[in-house]
Amino acid sequence: DVKVTQSSRYLVKRTGEKVFLECVQDMDHENMFWYRQDPGLGLRLIYFSYDVKMKEKGDIPEGYSVSREKKERFSLILESASTNQTSMYLCASSKDAYNEQFFGPGTRLTVL
Amino acid sequence: DAKTTQPPSMDCAEGRAANLPCNHSTISGNEYVYWYRQIHSQGPQYIIHGLKNNETNEMASLIITEDRKSSTLILPHATLRDTAVYYCIVRPSGTYKYIFGTGTRLKVLA
Repeated sequence: DVKVTQSSRYLVKRTGEKVFLECVQDMDHENMFWYRQDPGLGLRLIYFSYDVKMKEKGDIPEGYSVSREKKERFSLILESASTNQTSMYLCASSKDAYNEQFFGPGTRLTVL
Repeated sequence: DAKTTQPPSMDCAEGRAANLPCNHSTISGNEYVYWYRQIHSQGPQYIIHGLKNNETNEMASLIITEDRKSSTLILPHATLRDTAVYYCIVRPSGTYKYIFGTGTRLKVLA
């Protein structure tokens, strides 16, 4: 079975902290994605990676960066967390860019 | 903006078929219809997708009208575990972007 895991289900951080969210997939997928989900706004794409060390900005990349050093792992970095980054963060992967995406369970991040 | 319109909520009796409609009147010829669902506090789960033909898999059936302006997701025998928010998404072929709308909250009643 397809498996996408995320490092934490719940995380609480302080304003200004550097935050790392980790995502691992075991399906040998080329593509990985980071979304955030907020009530009334649906899912919004933050960043997309189509290969190791390759990335592309999504719709809302401001305040975030990403790292993909290995095929199976895709990290989302909040350089200096702010309260408006409180959200549910979802990682996904797909075999190629045009196939269905498989999502992880999500990390609910609260920034105080 | 989402290119789909779904009712905000629906109820279905356990054991009955759940029929979830989706309107996508501005769909283009190369755009696929995808369905996902999200059970509370979990990540979205892929259900099914199609272009113009009806599709069926172990989870559901997807019926797309001939003009492709609307579709229906059918869960043939709904169970309590099917209670979730169901998202209908239109995605152009050749792109990776999904645009998730607000979906339909399906409640399966015992």
